[in-house]
Amino acid sequence: QKEVEQDPGPLSVPEGAIVSLNCTYSNSAFQYFMWYRQYSRKGPELLMYTYSSGNKEDGRFTAQVDKSSKYISLFIRDSQPSDSATYLCAIGKRSNYQLIWGAGTKLIIKP
Amino acid sequence: GAVVSQHPSRVICKSGTSVKIECRSLDFQATTMFWYRQFPKQSLMLMATSNEGSKATYEQGVEKDKFLINHASLTLSTLTVTSAHPEDSSFYICSARDPGGYGYTFGSGTRLTVV
Repeated sequence: QKEVEQDPGPLSVPEGAIVSLNCTYSNSAFQYFMWYRQYSRKGPELLMYTYSSGNKEDGRFTAQVDKSSKYISLFIRDSQPSDSATYLCAIGKRSNYQLIWGAGTKLIIKP
Repeated sequence: GAVVSQHPSRVICKSGTSVKIECRSLDFQATTMFWYRQFPKQSLMLMATSNEGSKATYEQGVEKDKFLINHASLTLSTLTVTSAHPEDSSFYICSARDPGGYGYTFGSGTRLTVV
């Protein structure tokens, strides 16, 4: 079993829809959770960072963590074609710098 | 915010030659940098952790002699792919921990093609 599971997609939705992206993880020792967006042939860029259960909102993006279920989500409201990218979840421990990465979900927003 | 600059963005080299990729932290000091490899439609694979002033820590299965990492200063880490082969063709990305304490900042990546 992988430490982090993420559906690679692709996920195709119409413009304006609410997008839900998800990851599950297996080790309860993980303490912080991140979502990155990666455009084709570019390095990932950090979208959201959180370390507690609950919701964290930033503009059209909401990160949700449920530690009891070992489940994290990223919601995108009012999705735009420019949101089309691969979204990677990453989780880590404060004891070291290494991150465990999900496979990445390719998201396609259709105009 | 923190910026990591990576060069070159794209390189094509012949089999058997060596290629150096640079990763610079532009507005902060990075005692630790990370080198990743990414195959098409796959996630990031950590290759090694680069530590300023000391030897890099390589992940299992990564050849130390093929992928030479040097972290000579607090703002520069380099990855040299030695005696490159076509199977080394990939997308290489470096990153450093954001000094603000949240997340990691990535370079823009280097697409290596070995012909």
